[in-house]
Amino acid sequence: GAVVSQHPSWVICKSGTSVKIECRSLDFQATTMFWYRQFPKQSLMLMATSNEGSKATYEQGVEKDKFLINHASLTLSTLTVTSAHPEDSSFYICSARDDSGTGYSPLHFGNGTRLTVT
Amino acid sequence: AQSVAQPEDQVNVAEGNPLTVKCTYSVSGNPYLFWYVQYPNRGLQFLLKYITGDNLVKGSYGFEAEFNKSQTSFHLKKPSALVSDSALYFCAVLTGANNLFFGTGTRLTVIP
Repeated sequence: GAVVSQHPSWVICKSGTSVKIECRSLDFQATTMFWYRQFPKQSLMLMATSNEGSKATYEQGVEKDKFLINHASLTLSTLTVTSAHPEDSSFYICSARDDSGTGYSPLHFGNGTRLTVT
Repeated sequence: AQSVAQPEDQVNVAEGNPLTVKCTYSVSGNPYLFWYVQYPNRGLQFLLKYITGDNLVKGSYGFEAEFNKSQTSFHLKKPSALVSDSALYFCAVLTGANNLFFGTGTRLTVIP
């Protein structure tokens, strides 16, 4: 089946540093990928829609200068948390839509990245 | 706007008993509904979807869901629960922007 690889699975960084999270579709192409954030005991909140070759679309309330998204190829999207602060600590999950499917095809999810900012 | 609601934060069921995880939806037009499962510190795994057709949808791991238009519900069910089914379950609806809106999740615990 379709696999989405997300790396790293966990990361600890110091306040003020930047962290890059990668999301790769391993066996399919994905023009569109999505980045979610999940707080403890809460649902996933869509942060942004990543589009290959164009700017990401951010949801209301998400700082685009803080959460930089780059979708440089049909199989890779990256999320960079810049100048991280403790309140950015969270579980970040990416998902990808297979280009060969329809708009109603299920999304394929990465295993998530647990970010802890100290 | 499309949305879903999961009224139960937690569902406990004994192993071998049938389980139901509830989901109601609010949409304009025809809903496209999904169920996903999340194991600890993992991403989401697709279980099943309803687009059109039969109201009873069968999915992975023996799960099924019933689309009920009159009650605007899409409850997830399994005839006989396993301990390994213990996880966090999310109902989702496809939005007009072609992404997913997730419910708040229901933690299922299957008691041996």
